[in-house]
Amino acid sequence: DAGVTQSPTHLIKTRGQHVTLRCSPISGHKSVSWYQQVLGQGPQFIFQYYEKEERGRGNFPDRFSARQFPNYSSELNVNALLLGDSALYLCASSWGTPNEKLFFGSGTQLSVL
Amino acid sequence: GEDVEQSLFLSVREGDSSVINCTYTDSSSTYLYWYKQEPGAGLQLLTYIFSNMDMKQDQRLTVLLNKKDKHLSLRIADTQTGDSAIYFCAESGNNQGGKLIFGQGTELSVKP
Repeated sequence: DAGVTQSPTHLIKTRGQHVTLRCSPISGHKSVSWYQQVLGQGPQFIFQYYEKEERGRGNFPDRFSARQFPNYSSELNVNALLLGDSALYLCASSWGTPNEKLFFGSGTQLSVL
Repeated sequence: GEDVEQSLFLSVREGDSSVINCTYTDSSSTYLYWYKQEPGAGLQLLTYIFSNMDMKQDQRLTVLLNKKDKHLSLRIADTQTGDSAIYFCAESGNNQGGKLIFGQGTELSVKP
């Protein structure tokens, strides 16, 4: 079975631009969570989606948004990029039950110049 | 509030045991996790422990949980150079599926 897949693997943008990151969960998983990992830090929770509905949101500005599609894949969108948005963006897949294990993809490395 | 703390660096010799420590603040956390991250890669789930357990062993890995002190440790027996990576402790917080609170990570360096 394929694991969690994310695309693209690397991305370079300039300040003020918009970016869309994509994630496909493990087959059968209905929940996708997004995390931001700044260099030298642990991952920070951005969003969780379950059955196409937002279930949780971390402490991130409204420039960050996401959605989940009927096939359970997900997109993370970031508008008006800032230099501080440069980070590794990780997607995690799970069944959607409380206190469960999360399985992470390899991430998208976003550089904002 | 929710917070997880880890020491930043650990250096050991190949063949020695490594012990990585973590403290957390949310006593309602039901599960506590250890993830491994190699350079340029995502997070790999190594092991986890339910909050009503004191210890869990999985091959070379031993997890110890002191719930009273909110202290978690990961012991790696017979550490190999391939174990060199960053290790993250994470707590599940208040039963919020999909949201984990991670520490800063401990960089483990294994010297031959």
